Amino acid sequence: QVQLVQSGAEVKKPGASVKVSCKASGYTFTSYGISWVRQAPGQGLEWMGWISAYNGNTNYAQKLQGRVTMTTDTSTSTAYMELRSLRSDDTAVYYCARRYCSGGSCYWRDYYMDVWGKGTTVTVSS
Amino acid sequence: DIQMTQSPSSLSASVGDRVTITCRASQSISSYLNWYQQKPGKAPKLLIYAASSLQSGVPSRFSGSGSGTDFTLTISSLQPEDFATYYCQQSYSTAITFGQGTRLEIK
Repeated sequence: QVQLVQSGAEVKKPGASVKVSCKASGYTFTSYGISWVRQAPGQGLEWMGWISAYNGNTNYAQKLQGRVTMTTDTSTSTAYMELRSLRSDDTAVYYCARRYCSGGSCYWRDYYMDVWGKGTTVTVSS
Repeated sequence: DIQMTQSPSSLSASVGDRVTITCRASQSISSYLNWYQQKPGKAPKLLIYAASSLQSGVPSRFSGSGSGTDFTLTISSLQPEDFATYYCQQSYSTAITFGQGTRLEIK
């Protein structure tokens, strides 16, 4: 079955960087992209961006531009999200999700997040 | 960015009730609207995509409708496992946005 397994919890100091991994299985990794979504404690969902596992194209949320980098390693079917210059308000659970569409030929708007990882807790504290 | 506004923000209902949650976009998004369910401490789960298409494995008591700016998620007969928070999300814009969530609680 399709599964996304994320790396473990992280505790970081302000100003540091964190890199979260998301290992995919059960499907052809390069056929779909990976989206990243975060959720601060007690808050709603915030989209961070996505990466195409086919060609590495990315689309980042404007508020994170310059601090976030999403990459993939197709040899291990793993996606990565690195966030730099961490602040206390980056404390959140970070989720990866498969960026999927059901049609054979999909327009970029047709994609949705159909399978999610369990989340990685990132705590930023001095 | 396109603003997504859900109403109500919270809702109390009983098992067996019919429940409707509304999501309004700040501009037309055609049918590029998805719905997710999230239980405490768990990842979101896709329920509905493209406004009205039921995700495989999701019970048929869930349904979605709407287009343009106004959308609804309906649960025809609430079951105990449906008490959760529900989010809408638009994919019309390159800047994806979620609604603030609707918390569905047991009355």
